[in-house]
Amino acid sequence: GAGVSQSPSNKVTEKGKDVELRCDPISGHTALYWYRQSLGQGLEFLIYFQGNSAPDKSGLPSDRFSAERTGGSVSTLTIQRTQQEDSAVYLCASSLGQGTKNIQYFGAGTRLSVL
Amino acid sequence: DQQVKQNSPSLSVQEGRISILNCDYTNSMFDYFLWYKKYPAEGPTFLISISSIKDKNEDGRFTVFLNKSAKHLSLHIVPSQPGDSAVYFCAARPASYDKVIFGPGTSLSVIP
Repeated sequence: GAGVSQSPSNKVTEKGKDVELRCDPISGHTALYWYRQSLGQGLEFLIYFQGNSAPDKSGLPSDRFSAERTGGSVSTLTIQRTQQEDSAVYLCASSLGQGTKNIQYFGAGTRLSVL
Repeated sequence: DQQVKQNSPSLSVQEGRISILNCDYTNSMFDYFLWYKKYPAEGPTFLISISSIKDKNEDGRFTVFLNKSAKHLSLHIVPSQPGDSAVYFCAARPASYDKVIFGPGTSLSVIP
């Protein structure tokens, strides 16, 4: 498909386990973002990748969270030793990046439930 | 500290009437503003945007107004339709950087 793809769509895990969430951005988009939406809350910025630049990790809530983007395309968000407060919908977005109007295109998200 | 604020968590409007969603920001470096719409179980989708060099942008039933001195923008939907019922996010970014900051969202219900 032509849109942003996220997998899995739902993930249930036990407290203390590690999880990996995947994002396939739109082909050609150089910018990739991860956001988190907790129940009843807005979109919380987590991390931003732009081309080959060092990612902006300023939104990651703790060192249990990390993300990488391989080959400037697919990104994986990893949460280690999950906690119940990590339960949320994790949204990925991509855009054409700097110099454009920077419209972000979002995936449908991964709903993470930590039991 | 929230840089983009949407102080109304919810709004209810009669079909056919005008919906006005408000957004305030604190960072004077923001120069491009966007509105996104989100239906349940879907990702947000882009609706309309405005550059800081303008004070109004219109696209069909949707108009965004920007008041830079007040650091305030609003989205007007007229006439409102039941299909407009969704959560609306205001977003902003600075001129020199593509990191987009979102507000907490306003849930709009358009009553038939």
